[in-house]
This record gives sequence, C-alpha cells and structure tokens, in this order.
Amino acid sequence: ILNVEQSPQSLHVQEGDSTNFTCSFPSSNFYALHWYRWETAKSPEALFVMTLNGDEKKKGRISATLNTKEGYSYLYIKGSQPEDSATYLCAFGGDSNYQLIWGAGTKLIIKP
Amino acid sequence: DGGITQSPKYLFRKEGQNVTLSCEQNLNHDAMYWYRQDPGQGLRLIYYSQIVNDFQKGDIAEGYSVSREKKESFPLTVTSAQKNPTAFYLCASSIDPSGDTEAFFGQGTRLTVV
Repeated sequence: ILNVEQSPQSLHVQEGDSTNFTCSFPSSNFYALHWYRWETAKSPEALFVMTLNGDEKKKGRISATLNTKEGYSYLYIKGSQPEDSATYLCAFGGDSNYQLIWGAGTKLIIKP
Repeated sequence: DGGITQSPKYLFRKEGQNVTLSCEQNLNHDAMYWYRQDPGQGLRLIYYSQIVNDFQKGDIAEGYSVSREKKESFPLTVTSAQKNPTAFYLCASSIDPSGDTEAFFGQGTRLTVV
C-alpha cells in the first residue's frame, strides 16, 4: 500500500519567520510530486508540480525541493505572512497508474 | 471565469436515500476526479474519468456511481449501499490524466447523513 506522510501535522509560526515542512513518499516508481495550498472555505490551489530529481521550484516567497531517490520533498515559506495560513497538501504520482496518492496535509497558522 | 463548480455546498441525506453531487467544469479539461476527505486523512480517490464516456474506479468506489456523458460534467451519486457517506467531497479536473499536470478543484460538497 502506497503511503504519503506529511509532517508536522500542524505548525504555528510567528509572522515574519520562515518555516518549512516535509512530504515523504515512496522512493520507487516516481512520476510526479504535487504541492497544493488549501485555504479555509476555498478550493485547493496548485503550487508546484515537480517531476525531476533535484528539482527546485519557486513562487514568490514559497519554494520546494525534491529528492526522489530518498523519497521526500520540502516546502519552504520565507517571511511568513498571515495570508500564508492554510493547509498545505502534497500528492505523489507513481508511474504505475495516473492516480495521485495524497498526504493528510500540514496546517500552517501564522500568528501576527 | 474558468473553473469548477460543485453543488450543492451542503447536502443532507436520509438513511437509504440516493443523492447526486454535481460537478461542472468549463476549463475544457479531459480528466475529472472525485475525492472524499475524512478528518485527519488525505484525499481518497472515488472515481476518475480520463475522457468522455469513460470512467474508472478509484480506491474507494464501493457505494458510489458516476457518469461522464459530457466533457463538462461528472456527477457523483452516493447510493444507499455506501455505509458511511458523511464526508467532504471534492471534484477536480486536469487538462489530461497523465499525473504531472496540476489539478483544479471545486469548493466541495459536505454531505451529512441524518
């Protein structure tokens, strides 16, 4: 059974501080790794789709790294702002089928 | 604006009743998906469709049915055979089913059995 783990489950960060969290996934049959941001009462929105080992993606203050050999990805947020408060989801795509396997998410709360 | 529309936002179902959740997209996407979210768990795939008139079971398809008669529409029926239907349901679409294209989501339907 394929499993995707996200840690920590929740995180309180002071406004202005930087933070990061982890997505662990199977290290075999890798196809893609997705990151999404899900704000309360809104739809999940894609941040990054990563496909290559060693890939790094950046969007404003948010960046992500990928290590497919050891099966993990980090999401970094620099200088946290209140609007960064959300649940961050990652999803693993294996090459055996087109289904994504989702982690349970990291809930980020930014304290003003 | 292009996007995915789910309706209703909240739905109450009596025991033994079938209910249908609507999902419509105007993004011209080939692939559509239905997920279920339960507290503390990741999204779980119920059904997906790679193209019109075709759909496949996901990990938890028992007690659910779908149709894909039009590209824009992928309704989900929760049947009386689904033993524990109370959950949050998300519909999504992607331009193709390859797994390396981002998914676009609706705002979800919260289903409660009363």
